[in-house]
Amino acid sequence: DTEVTQTPKHLVMGMTNKKSLKCEQHMGHRAMYWYKQKAKKPPELMFVYSYEKLSINESVPSRFSPECPNSSLLNLHLHALQPEDSALYLCASSQGKFGVEGNTEAFFGQGTRLTVV
Amino acid sequence: GENVEQHPSTLSVQEGDSAVIKCTYSDSASNYFPWYKQELGKRPQLIIDIRSNVGEKKDQRIAVTLNKTAKHFSLHITETQPEDSAVYFCAASRLPNAGNMLTFGGGTRLMVKP
Repeated sequence: DTEVTQTPKHLVMGMTNKKSLKCEQHMGHRAMYWYKQKAKKPPELMFVYSYEKLSINESVPSRFSPECPNSSLLNLHLHALQPEDSALYLCASSQGKFGVEGNTEAFFGQGTRLTVV
Repeated sequence: GENVEQHPSTLSVQEGDSAVIKCTYSDSASNYFPWYKQELGKRPQLIIDIRSNVGEKKDQRIAVTLNKTAKHFSLHITETQPEDSAVYFCAASRLPNAGNMLTFGGGTRLMVKP
């Protein structure tokens, strides 16, 4: 199983809503990532979790709140978003202990296409 | 932080021709350089990668070359096929200290005309 599964595939939310994006992998990976991808742009790193601990927060606004409940799951909680936050949100995972070189491939999920109205 | 530049932004080739995409990076500590292919509406998928201790790597029709001194690396696709049409992203990261945090280039839209 080399799948990273994200739900929902599509999400439309109002600026006052609270919603969550979910990501799941069963490859035993201990590093998980959230990326944001605007149309016709490359993915941009938002957060990195290593062994269920937040390692990197790339200066992301607090209206995005990540959570890693266990080694297989990664959530992104959304609150009071703006229309400019509309994008494809990609989850990724990779093997190995953060800080130790291992199998390097980062596997991406299909993404959640978020529209903020 | 790392900055990755990618050229060209669009590339149109005839089926059977070769395609070359080039990237430069700024952080001399970067040591891992993957290439991802993203078809419309789909996830990025790794097609080939190279580490800084290697100058070239090949996998069937795809090859990647790395020049550490000049800080640039290139993707070569030979005998292109229509199914190669997609957006290709180069990326760089620093293993092991930065896990697999990827900084992506701007992407190249490759169109292979039958």
